[in-house]
Amino acid sequence: NAGVTQTPKFQVLKTGQSMTLQCAQDMNHNSMYWYRQDPGMGLRLIYYSASEGTTDKGEVPNGYNVSRLNKREFSLRLESAAPSQTSVYFCASSKLAGGRNEQFFGPGTRLTVL
Amino acid sequence: QQQVKQSPQSLIVQKGGISIINCAYENTAFDYFPWYQQFPGKGPALLIAIRPDVSEKKEGRFTISFNKSAKQFSLHIMDSQPGDSATYFCAASMTGYALNFGKGTSLLVTP
Repeated sequence: NAGVTQTPKFQVLKTGQSMTLQCAQDMNHNSMYWYRQDPGMGLRLIYYSASEGTTDKGEVPNGYNVSRLNKREFSLRLESAAPSQTSVYFCASSKLAGGRNEQFFGPGTRLTVL
Repeated sequence: QQQVKQSPQSLIVQKGGISIINCAYENTAFDYFPWYQQFPGKGPALLIAIRPDVSEKKEGRFTISFNKSAKQFSLHIMDSQPGDSATYFCAASMTGYALNFGKGTSLLVTP
């Protein structure tokens, strides 16, 4: 099992460009998450999908959109990238949302917006 | 509003010493309290977790202490080793909801 995979690993964008970060899991998990990690800020939840067909905003959703394509895949889209979106993005999945369910994280996508 | 507050931000411990990281939460509905460990360039990975019906959980050199009345929990790393050098995150959640993470503690264990 590959676990949680993310593509790309690195990306450099210019302000105003758009891109989609891809995430897939092969653990048959119901819930999937997108976080961003910035120095001194910890992991902040952008969006999550408790189950296929549902998505909910997290702590920092502005400037992002998500699509739960199917049970395996959860993508994050930046429509018009801004320098403030320079960050490391992590996708995660868990069997169920919250309470007593281990989240498994992908290796991250390091995004720089110039 | 940050739901989980973590301290210290950074910690330096000598090899063989005890590392202690503390977290506090506000929401009494939280029912799951995990700790994640992250090495540079990697995603976080679950280290140990506790439920609010127990006051302590131990796995090898790692122990979570939980104080429900004070709404605090802490991670103790006994006999700290250089390989334990990493960033540690506490978190909390309710069933059906996403994890709320603390801001992280960067631990350095010196030889």
